[in-house]
Amino acid sequence: DAGVIQSPRHEVTEMGQEVTLRCKPISGHDYLFWYRQTMMRGLELLIYFNNNVPIDDSGMPEDRFSAKMPNASFSTLKIQPSEPRDSAVYFCASSFDPNEQFFGPGTRLTVL
Amino acid sequence: AQSVTQLDSHVSVSEGTPVLLRCNYSSSYSPSLFWYVQHPNKGLQLLLKYTSAATLVKGINGFEAEFKKSETSFHLTKPSAHMSDAAEYFCVVQAAGNKLTFGGGTRVLVKP
Repeated sequence: DAGVIQSPRHEVTEMGQEVTLRCKPISGHDYLFWYRQTMMRGLELLIYFNNNVPIDDSGMPEDRFSAKMPNASFSTLKIQPSEPRDSAVYFCASSFDPNEQFFGPGTRLTVL
Repeated sequence: AQSVTQLDSHVSVSEGTPVLLRCNYSSSYSPSLFWYVQHPNKGLQLLLKYTSAATLVKGINGFEAEFKKSETSFHLTKPSAHMSDAAEYFCVVQAAGNKLTFGGGTRVLVKP
């Protein structure tokens, strides 16, 4: 298995633009998690899905952030409009057992 | 509510000497505890996990951790550090539900 796949690996955009981050979980995993990592705040859970249904989105910073999981093999995290303070590394993780999450390599987002 | 405190933000050791990374947690429930490692520009990788079985948990790459309920601690150790152990290490607690709470991380430097 290729593991959790995230794209793009790096994204540089200008303030106000829409950003879409993509994640393909490990086949057979029914949990999917989106995290954000910054120097100031460390690793934060943004949202997670179970069987494609959002279970807890309490970590989503504000309405500019949205996440979808249209099927078991794909999820997106969208920021619209983006702001410089959104610059971070965004990780997707998946799991069959919520006790053991497998992380993707991350997307490094820079908003100018 | 649950929280994790990693007592050292940075640890520096010489190659071949023991490594100790300290972690204390608080949780209203019987928690599951994990240690993850993150190498530069990589995603997180699970080192080991405690889920209410044996209190001494062995992980990959020679690491182990001991769960001490009386001290609410889950310290990570390795008898002999290797250059490849240079990375950031995260202590993580999972209580009710599927949300992981991450500590602030400990960055390990291994000197030759």
